[in-house]
Amino acid sequence: QKEVEQNSGPLSVPEGAIASLNCTYSDRGSQSFFWYRQYSGKSPELIMFIYSNGDKEDGRFTAQLNKASQYVSLLIRDSQPSDSATYLCAVPHSGGGADGLTFGKGTHLIIQP
Amino acid sequence: ETGVTQSPTHLIKTRGQQVTLRCSSQSGHNTVSWYQQALGQGPQFIFQYYREEENGRGNFPPRFSGLQFPNYSSELNVNALELDDSALYLCASSSRDRGPKEQFFGPGTRLTVL
Repeated sequence: QKEVEQNSGPLSVPEGAIASLNCTYSDRGSQSFFWYRQYSGKSPELIMFIYSNGDKEDGRFTAQLNKASQYVSLLIRDSQPSDSATYLCAVPHSGGGADGLTFGKGTHLIIQP
Repeated sequence: ETGVTQSPTHLIKTRGQQVTLRCSSQSGHNTVSWYQQALGQGPQFIFQYYREEENGRGNFPPRFSGLQFPNYSSELNVNALELDDSALYLCASSSRDRGPKEQFFGPGTRLTVL
């Protein structure tokens, strides 16, 4: 059974600082990795995905992947109060990616004004 | 572009009853996945449908079943409801023709089993 581990938090970060969210996964065969943001009472919203080792940047967000360490992270620069949400890390349920996603429990992020 | 829609928004059932939840996929998407999200947890994969057939299943019993229709919309059926089935049920659509399989979620159906 694939597992995705995240620190549930809450992670409290002052406004304007960098928020760092971490995720580890159990299956070395995982090929792609997804970060979703979920506001309270809402459905998950895709922020970004990564499938190559290294960094991928999109605006204030940077995803970092280290397949050797089975570790993926999400950095949020210049954190804003609107970034306060639960961040979910996910990998494909099967190695080929044809199935659904296996999610972690999520990290609750609080940006303090 | 039309997003993913789900109905109903909320539902209250009693233990032992049966329920059907509905999902319309995003325009251009041919794959639908269903998830169960309990309070304080991440979504758990129930199953996925592609070309009207089940294409992968998570660790859920057979009383969770589904359908996909030619227009790619989908239904989730749950028989013999249990109290632990109370959760937010999420539908996500994607396209198997594009990688790497980003999924886009609907607003969810909140099911309460009494």
